[in-house]
Amino acid sequence: GAVVSQHPSWVICKSGTSVKIECRSLDFQATTMFWYRQFPKQSLMLMATSNEGSKATYEQGVEKDKFLINHASLTLSTLTVTSAHPEDSSFYICSARPYRDSGGAFFGQGTRLTVV
Amino acid sequence: AQTVTQSQPEMSVQEAETVTLSCTYDTSENNYYLFWYKQPPSRQMILVIRQEAYKQQNATENRFSVNFQKAAKSFSLKISDSQLGDTAMYFCAFMAYGGSQGNLIFGKGTKLSVKP
Repeated sequence: GAVVSQHPSWVICKSGTSVKIECRSLDFQATTMFWYRQFPKQSLMLMATSNEGSKATYEQGVEKDKFLINHASLTLSTLTVTSAHPEDSSFYICSARPYRDSGGAFFGQGTRLTVV
Repeated sequence: AQTVTQSQPEMSVQEAETVTLSCTYDTSENNYYLFWYKQPPSRQMILVIRQEAYKQQNATENRFSVNFQKAAKSFSLKISDSQLGDTAMYFCAFMAYGGSQGNLIFGKGTKLSVKP
């Protein structure tokens, strides 16, 4: 199956700093990637849809200025958590779907963010 | 709007036995995909099985099979010959065909424990 790589797998940062998370599709092109957030023992919550070459689409309640998304190429999307606070601590997962393939999505390994 | 409901927060099964996880969904779409994803303790999301709504035949993947009842909007997962490695969270997911660029809508998940 298709491979999606997410980096880093875990990160600890100080409150007020920014953290960038990368999501790469290794063996396919993805015009669209998705960013999810998962709280402990809960399901995945879609944060935003990342579109190559255009602005991301954010879900209701997600702060655009806090969670900056850039999808500069067909294989890379980045999520930057700006001015992080402890409440931003969570598990973030990206997914991507091969272009013109309607069959499901493939997920990165996830990033555990801890803000201290 | 589509919704996915998993009514079993937790289930357990003895090794080598069979277990069925339930999932219902609500949609006005006629063309869509349904998926079961597995999330083991590593938190990597793994595609277990998928079903195209236009196909009447139930999908199977080795020990995993589904019972897809389109009229009832039901999509259960049967795991045969359960193995200890099947212990994980299982998420049922919906994706409209060609819509939302591949956005998956997840249920809340079922925590499956396989006991030796």
